[in-house]
Amino acid sequence: NAGVTQTPKFQVLKTGQSMTLQCAQDMNHNSMYWYRQDPGMGLRLIYYSASEGTTDKGEVPNGYNVSRLNKREFSLRLESAAPSQTSVYFCASSGQWTSGRYEQYFGPGTRLTVT
Amino acid sequence: EDQVTQSPEALRLQEGESSSLNCSYTVSGLRGLFWYRQDPGKGPEFLFTLYSAGEEKEKERLKATLTKKESFLHITAPKPEDSATYLCAVQRESSASKIIFGSGTRLSIRP
Repeated sequence: NAGVTQTPKFQVLKTGQSMTLQCAQDMNHNSMYWYRQDPGMGLRLIYYSASEGTTDKGEVPNGYNVSRLNKREFSLRLESAAPSQTSVYFCASSGQWTSGRYEQYFGPGTRLTVT
Repeated sequence: EDQVTQSPEALRLQEGESSSLNCSYTVSGLRGLFWYRQDPGKGPEFLFTLYSAGEEKEKERLKATLTKKESFLHITAPKPEDSATYLCAVQRESSASKIIFGSGTRLSIRP
């Protein structure tokens, strides 16, 4: 099992460019998440999807859109990149509380720089 | 407002020197408290989930405990490979999937 995979690993964009970060999980998890991690600010939730077909805003959703393509895949899109979106982006997935094992697994991250 | 505060920000220990990391939280109705380990340039790695006050969990040299206001991650006789950033996070009972993270404690173990 690969767990949670993310592409690309690194990306440099110019202000105003758009891009999509891809995430896939092979653990049959219902819930998937997108976080950003900035120095001194910890991990902050951008969007999450509790199940296939549903998405909801997290703490810092402005400037981002998401798509839960199917149970395995959850993508994050930056429509018009800004320097403030320079960060490390992590995708994560988790099982349901009713399963008795709520463990969140993270991907390796995408390091995005916007110039 | 839900809040998670970790202390200290950084901790340097000698190999074999036991210590504890603290995670204080304020949340209305705790559903679960999580501990993660993060190595430089990598994603967080799940360690423990604690669900109720008084609960304890162990894994190798790590032991996590939970009270109504805080959690401790005890590290017994640490080795250099335990060096990492340790993250704490909480989930509120009424919030389906939102998890709030602390800023982490950077742990460095000297040989």
